[in-house]
Amino acid sequence: DAGVTQSPTHLIKTRGQQVTLRCSPKSGHDTVSWYQQALGQGPQFIFQYYEEEERQRGNFPDRFSGHQFPNYSSELNVNALLLGDSALYLCASSLGTLNTEAFFGQGTRLTVV
Amino acid sequence: SQQGEEDPQALSIQEGENATMNCSYKTSINNLQWYRQNSGRGLVHLILIRSNEREKHSGRLRVTLDTSKKSSSLLITASRAADTASYFCPTVDYNQGGKLIFGQGTELSVKP
Repeated sequence: DAGVTQSPTHLIKTRGQQVTLRCSPKSGHDTVSWYQQALGQGPQFIFQYYEEEERQRGNFPDRFSGHQFPNYSSELNVNALLLGDSALYLCASSLGTLNTEAFFGQGTRLTVV
Repeated sequence: SQQGEEDPQALSIQEGENATMNCSYKTSINNLQWYRQNSGRGLVHLILIRSNEREKHSGRLRVTLDTSKKSSSLLITASRAADTASYFCPTVDYNQGGKLIFGQGTELSVKP
């Protein structure tokens, strides 16, 4: 049973560019949440997707957007990258929106230079 | 704040010793979860304890929950170098779709 998979694992982008990160949820899961984790900090909630719609959003600007596909996989897009967007981006999947037990992927390490 | 707060922030022990880390929270909970994160990697779900449970075991892990004190503890017995990681006890905000709210975690270092 494949767990949560994220791609790519590492990424280097230039300030001002746009980036797309991808996530495939654990088999049987229908909800995907995205988190940003700065070095030395705990993960911060970006948003959650369920039934192909953004259901909840954390305190992140509109430069952060996402999408969920019919197969439940999800993308996180960040436009106009800033140096401060450098972080580990984590995807978590769960069954339903109440995250009783969330499973995380290995993350995508984004470096903005 | 609503997040689970882990204590201590850092803990260094020798292999074979027990490691205890604590978690405090401010909101009412339905359950509390503990996660482990190896350096710069994804989070691994360790254990979930429900609000009506006081203690739960999983292998070398023992979790306790005291809802009257809004606190939980994670005990790792007979620690190994591979237990070196950060440990988190996020709370769940059911008013916002069950999002997990993380503190800074406890950074555990187990020296061989």
